[in-house]
Amino acid sequence: DGGITQSPKYLFRKEGQNVTLSCEQNLNHDAMYWYRQDPGQGLRLIYYSQIVNDFQKGDIAEGYSVSREKKESFPLTVTSAQKNPTAFYLCASSISTPSNQPQHFGDGTRLSIL
Amino acid sequence: GQNIDQPTEMTATEGAIVQINCTYQTSGFNGLFWYQQHAGEAPTFLSYNVLDGLEEKGRFSSFLSRSKGYSYLLLKELQMKDSASYLCAVRDTSGGSYIPTFGRGTSLIVHP
Repeated sequence: DGGITQSPKYLFRKEGQNVTLSCEQNLNHDAMYWYRQDPGQGLRLIYYSQIVNDFQKGDIAEGYSVSREKKESFPLTVTSAQKNPTAFYLCASSISTPSNQPQHFGDGTRLSIL
Repeated sequence: GQNIDQPTEMTATEGAIVQINCTYQTSGFNGLFWYQQHAGEAPTFLSYNVLDGLEEKGRFSSFLSRSKGYSYLLLKELQMKDSASYLCAVRDTSGGSYIPTFGRGTSLIVHP
């Protein structure tokens, strides 16, 4: 079955540490996205990529970095510059062109501070 | 940019009907999505509207009025498993990115 896989499900970060969240999809989608979800805040866009080797900042990119070296993979690094990283992180993918096709989401990674 | 507004929380009784509203302001509307999200899980797609009118899918229907910047999700014959957060997401053409922007979500509590 095609889908989108995030790992790990739970992650703990120590002070001053960078951590990387994995996102892999086998849906052959060109576009991939990272969202952060906090209680009462809905989904906020961190970064997105519409094609391999290209990505764009979303609304809250500060303290985060991404890469898109392969179509299937879009890892997110939460750097030590992100002072409030505790949140639920969701990765999504979709076809690139506007259509009635929705975004497909992974099961999320919950990041907490140690 | 967009301004998307949904009620924070709603409660309803099992077997009843509930309507969840979503209002938005956008410069170049290009479609509206509704998703369901159970706590700690991935959002799952429910419906898509780009033209005015009602789209029906089993117990769920979604309505759009572009001139009013308004949509609603209608859930019929409510079941306990419908207790979840419902997310409205609006796509517009500003900036050329076509990335949907999400509202804060409406938490629906269904009680017996």
